[in-house]
Amino acid sequence: AQSVTQLDSQVPVFEEAPVELRCNYSSSVSVYLFWYVQYPNQGLQLLLKYLSGSTLVKGINGFEAEFNKSQTSFHLRKPSVHISDTAEYFCAVTRTLNFNKFYFGSGTKLNVKP
Amino acid sequence: DTGVSQNPRHKITKRGQNVTFRCDPISEHNRLYWYRQTLGQGPEFLTYFQNEAQLEKSRLLSDRFSAERPKGSFSTLEIQRTEQGDSAMYLCASSLDTSPLHFGNGTRLTVT
Repeated sequence: AQSVTQLDSQVPVFEEAPVELRCNYSSSVSVYLFWYVQYPNQGLQLLLKYLSGSTLVKGINGFEAEFNKSQTSFHLRKPSVHISDTAEYFCAVTRTLNFNKFYFGSGTKLNVKP
Repeated sequence: DTGVSQNPRHKITKRGQNVTFRCDPISEHNRLYWYRQTLGQGPEFLTYFQNEAQLEKSRLLSDRFSAERPKGSFSTLEIQRTEQGDSAMYLCASSLDTSPLHFGNGTRLTVT
């Protein structure tokens, strides 16, 4: 089975500062990786995905993530955050073979302060 | 693309009552998923349909839970004899084959 670990449950940061949200995964098979964002009382929205190709993927709202196979990581970064980025962020993984079940981490709450 | 729609948004019920939630996926999506999310946790997989066939169920889905997707369109999730531990956000998501999941806004269940 696959699993996802998001070590930081909360990340406080000041507006316009850079941020990195960490995600590590474990899997015995090849996987695809995703980051989703959840605003209060809403469902999850896809930020970006890694399927193949370049290990640096760019997503919406200025976010990017880098896939590191040797470290089994997929950390999310943004060079300059805005108040509107305050939300909860979830890393997810699914098997490349059949893409039929997504495993999510426990989430990281990003709190952007003015 | 009208998005994934879930109804109701909120449901408060008394312990022991039955509840049913509905999910309308994006129209051309053939896969439909139910997840459960409790406070401070990520979504946990419950079950998955490809068209009308229920292909996988989590061990989290006890006998009190049942899901259907008649004709491969909308889906319902029923919980019988609700317990306080069933209080959670129930999320529905859909996808087209191997595309990423598109989530609805969820149904928040509170069992009193």
